Amino acid sequence: DIQMTQSPSTLSASVGDRVTITCRASQSISSWLAWYQQKPGKAPKLLIYKASSLESGVPSRFSGSGSGTEFTLTISSLQPDDFATYYCQQYNSYPRTFGPGTKVDIK
Amino acid sequence: QVQLVQSGAEVKKPGASVKVSCKASGYTFTSYGISWVRQAPGQGLEWMGWISAYNGNTNYAQKLQGRVTMTTDTSTSTAYMELRSLRSDDTAVYYCAREEFSAVDYWGQGTLVTVSS
Repeated sequence: DIQMTQSPSTLSASVGDRVTITCRASQSISSWLAWYQQKPGKAPKLLIYKASSLESGVPSRFSGSGSGTEFTLTISSLQPDDFATYYCQQYNSYPRTFGPGTKVDIK
Repeated sequence: QVQLVQSGAEVKKPGASVKVSCKASGYTFTSYGISWVRQAPGQGLEWMGWISAYNGNTNYAQKLQGRVTMTTDTSTSTAYMELRSLRSDDTAVYYCAREEFSAVDYWGQGTLVTVSS
């Protein structure tokens, strides 16, 4: 199975900050990586697919990059609505696997 | 618009089974698969498996093999996930989600399954 790791596990930031979250895969997954945002009591929401493609309707302050085993999610200017937990997921192979999550909270 | 509407919360005793439904609308059901993902209280997301709504092919997480069965009913555009021999650590919110060899793009609202004696 492909193991996914994320860093940091928690990130404290202020509105307007530039935020970067890193996701690493235990083996190459090409660009088959997605990023999801989840708020308490809600289902996850797709932000980025194929490592860097922005899902329709997602604000352009979100961006993704990387390929192979190392990926990043960047929020260019953090907004109040962005305080949430973020997960990466590989869909290169089965079983699909998620990273453990990164909680972005208010500094 | 695409919607996945799941059945309501369940409370089960250890050793029992639960069957969660997921009714799809707003797209051609057989053109996409359905993944099931669960989330224990305060924990991360765990992929459980995937079923093709086109031909019923499945792919299950190794740790759930033998306890989980995923099915679809194309006449009602509904997917089902049955989990047997429930244990306390199966307590979680269970999500269905649309996926066809791609990122999951639409999610159900989640179904809380509580396993308690």
